[in-house]
Parts: sequence; structure tokens; C-alpha cells
Amino acid sequence: DTGVSQDPRHKITKRGQNVTFRCDPISEHNRLYWYRQTLGQGPEFLTYFQNEAQLEKSRLLSDRFSAERPKGSFSTLEIQRTEQGDSAMYLCASSGPAGPDEQFFGPGTRLTVL
Amino acid sequence: AQSVAQPEDQVNVAEGNPLTVKCTYSVSGNPYLFWYVQYPNRGLQFLLKYITGDNLVKGSYGFEAEFNKSQTSFHLKKPSALVSDSALYFCAVRDMRSGNTGKLIFGQGTTLQVKP
Repeated sequence: DTGVSQDPRHKITKRGQNVTFRCDPISEHNRLYWYRQTLGQGPEFLTYFQNEAQLEKSRLLSDRFSAERPKGSFSTLEIQRTEQGDSAMYLCASSGPAGPDEQFFGPGTRLTVL
Repeated sequence: AQSVAQPEDQVNVAEGNPLTVKCTYSVSGNPYLFWYVQYPNRGLQFLLKYITGDNLVKGSYGFEAEFNKSQTSFHLKKPSALVSDSALYFCAVRDMRSGNTGKLIFGQGTTLQVKP
């Protein structure tokens, strides 16, 4: 399967712990997005990478959140000192040479903060 | 402010009947509009998009959507619903304030329930 993959699929952690999620986009896709989806809501944009450059960050991305995309391939999203309000599904998407207007989403990482 | 609204939390339809899932938008300038579907434990799947051109856009799995500029709507339609169409549907608009990033603004979603 050459789609977008995310790891882990589920993460349960205790408040105050740090967590890191990984996203592997479709190869040759230079654009990568992170979104967050809470129950009963649509996905909300968190951040955008073009190749290795992080070009946009949402106000939702507090200083406890950091994202990287070294070498313009996979990306990681780290949440430090997790809070119960961080519990959500974290979605990664990528788009390729045809432009940004068809984003391919991964299955998501469901985070539960106890 | 740019936004998308899906006024129905749930739509129920009998198999074989036509279905409509509603979406209205608010953007500055010409909108880039999208529909995605989400099945349980799976990522969002792209169904169709409107960028420019014909107001009736055809997409995957027999779905189509009608762009109506005067009503600022982009309703999703299918002539004959299948039980397997039951899923969560999201309308989205490209955030044009973000230049060419492709950042999407999503509605809150509509659950489609197709009954046999």
C-alpha cells in the first residue's frame, strides 16, 4: 500500500507525558499537512510543510506542540506535557506534484490523555 | 471569516432513493470546494472538488455535487443510495488567505445513514 501511513494508530498517555507521532506521506509528495479532529467536529488545520520547510502554523499549535519534517520525507508531531484537552485524532495528509487540491489522508493517530 | 457549514448532523435515506447532503460556505473570492468521506477507523477519502468550470461536478462512487454561487452552496448528491454509502461526510473549502498552501477548512460533518 503506497498511501499515507501514520504510527501509532492509538496512543494512551497520562497527563504531563510527552508523545510523538509519525507520518509517512506518499513518496514524491512534497506537501504535508497535520490536522486535528475532535469528536463530532471536522478536522482543523495544525501545520503545513512544503518539503522540509514548515510554512504555516495554526494558532491551535501552542508552544507545547512541535512538528518537523527532516529531509522533506516523513514528519513527526510532538506534544509535550500533554493535557486532557489534547485528546483527539491527529490526521496527516499529503499532496503532490499536481498541486495542493487533492490531499490524501492517513488513518490518523488517536490520542487519549488520561 | 471563511467558513463551511453543514446544517444537518445526520441524513437518513432508504437504499435506492436519491440522497443530498447539504453544505454552504463563506469565503472571499472564488471558492475551491471539496467533499471527503470518512469510514470508521479509516482516513478521509477524497470524493470530488470544484475549482472552476461546470457547476455540476462528478466524483468517486457515483457521487456528484452542485456548485451554486448565488446560494453559496455545494450540496453533495447521489441518484441512488447504497447501504455501503453510510459514513461521515465532510465538506471543505480551501483557505484562500493561506496563499497556495492548500490548507482546508472543514465543516463539522454529516452522518449519512442508508437503510436497506
